[in-house]
Amino acid sequence: DIQLTQSPSFLSASVGDRVIITCRASQDISSYSAWYQQKPGEAPKLLIYSASTLQSGVPSRFSGSGSGTEFTLTISSLQPEDFATYYCRQRKSYPITFGQGTRLEIK
Amino acid sequence: EVQLVESGGGLVQPGGSLRLSCAASGFSFSDHYMDWVRQAPGKGLEWVGRIRKKSNSYTTEYAASVKGRFTISRDDSKNSLYLQMNSLKTEDTAVYFCSRVSSDYDNDYWGQGTLVTVSS
Repeated sequence: DIQLTQSPSFLSASVGDRVIITCRASQDISSYSAWYQQKPGEAPKLLIYSASTLQSGVPSRFSGSGSGTEFTLTISSLQPEDFATYYCRQRKSYPITFGQGTRLEIK
Repeated sequence: EVQLVESGGGLVQPGGSLRLSCAASGFSFSDHYMDWVRQAPGKGLEWVGRIRKKSNSYTTEYAASVKGRFTISRDDSKNSLYLQMNSLKTEDTAVYFCSRVSSDYDNDYWGQGTLVTVSS
């Protein structure tokens, strides 16, 4: 199975900050990565797919990059509604796997 | 508007069975693969399995943790997805989400989830 390791697991930041979350894969997954946002009590929401494509309706302050084994999610200027948990996910091979999550909290 | 509504969750004893349903609306259900994803209390997301569409012979994939115990099926005439869970274990306790698979093979829409609790 492909393991995904996110860093950091916990992040404290302020409104307006630029935030970068990293996801490392245990083997080459090409560009078959995605990023999801989840708020407490809610379903996950797709933000980025195919490593860098912004899902329709997602604000442009979110961006994704990377290929192979290293991927990043960048939030250019944190807004109050961005405080949530973020997950990367790979679909290169079965079983589909998620990272352990990065919890983003208000400083 | 795409909507996915799960139902069928509840309390079940270890070793028991439960069948979850997911009612889909607002899109052409038969044209999409569908996934089940679960989340144990306070934990991360775990992919459970996938069912492909008719043109792919409704084939399925499963996580190792559920293979042989869980079965995913669908009824395109009812726009419904199912998860039959047998031989349930305490570690199967989780919120179960159904999710639509997009043309890019990512999960673009999710239901709100249904809670399954396996406990004696």
